[in-house]
Amino acid sequence: AQTVTQSQPEMSVQEAETVTLSCTYDTSESDYYLFWYKQPPSRQMILVIRQEAYKQQNATENRFSVNFQKAAKSFSLKISDSQLGDAAMYFCAYEYKLVFGAGTILRVKS
Amino acid sequence: DTAVSQTPKYLVTQMGNDKSIKCEQNLGHDTMYWYKQDSKKFLKIMFSYNNKELIINETVPNRFSPKSPDKAHLNLHINSLELGDSAVYFCASSQFRGTREQFFGPGTRLTVL
Repeated sequence: AQTVTQSQPEMSVQEAETVTLSCTYDTSESDYYLFWYKQPPSRQMILVIRQEAYKQQNATENRFSVNFQKAAKSFSLKISDSQLGDAAMYFCAYEYKLVFGAGTILRVKS
Repeated sequence: DTAVSQTPKYLVTQMGNDKSIKCEQNLGHDTMYWYKQDSKKFLKIMFSYNNKELIINETVPNRFSPKSPDKAHLNLHINSLELGDSAVYFCASSQFRGTREQFFGPGTRLTVL
């Protein structure tokens, strides 16, 4: 069975600085999708970024980028120029059945 | 125009009651899902329907019964509610073949007293 591990229950970052959230996963598949979702206090789940395993190039969406290491089964999220609106729970998730990690609470300090 | 909608957003009920949560998507997707988020924010898939056919049925008590009358709707009926059913239930939809991105509804917070 696929598993997803987020080892950082909580992270803090100063506004305008950069933070990296960690995620590792376990799968025997060779082709799959990985996602980062954001859940602000409104509880709405919002897709932040998506990575296809067969693509070697790391996905980027504006201030959000990933470091995808397929052999190491690692999928970290980097948030640059952090903003107050980035404060939320961040979930790493695997594939279409969306196996979720336990989440990382990100706090942004002004 | 809301992409994935759920009703109700909040549901408070007594133990032993039966309740339903409705979900509708207007994205033209062929696959819909139900997830449960517990008090520790852990998210777990419960069910998934593809073109009205059940394709994912995780280990869920049979008091929970999904029903998909058409591709745009997926309802969740819960019988004999228990305290442990208190959670936020999310509906989501996606196109089965493609980017696999799931679009989530706003969630339904169920509180069982």
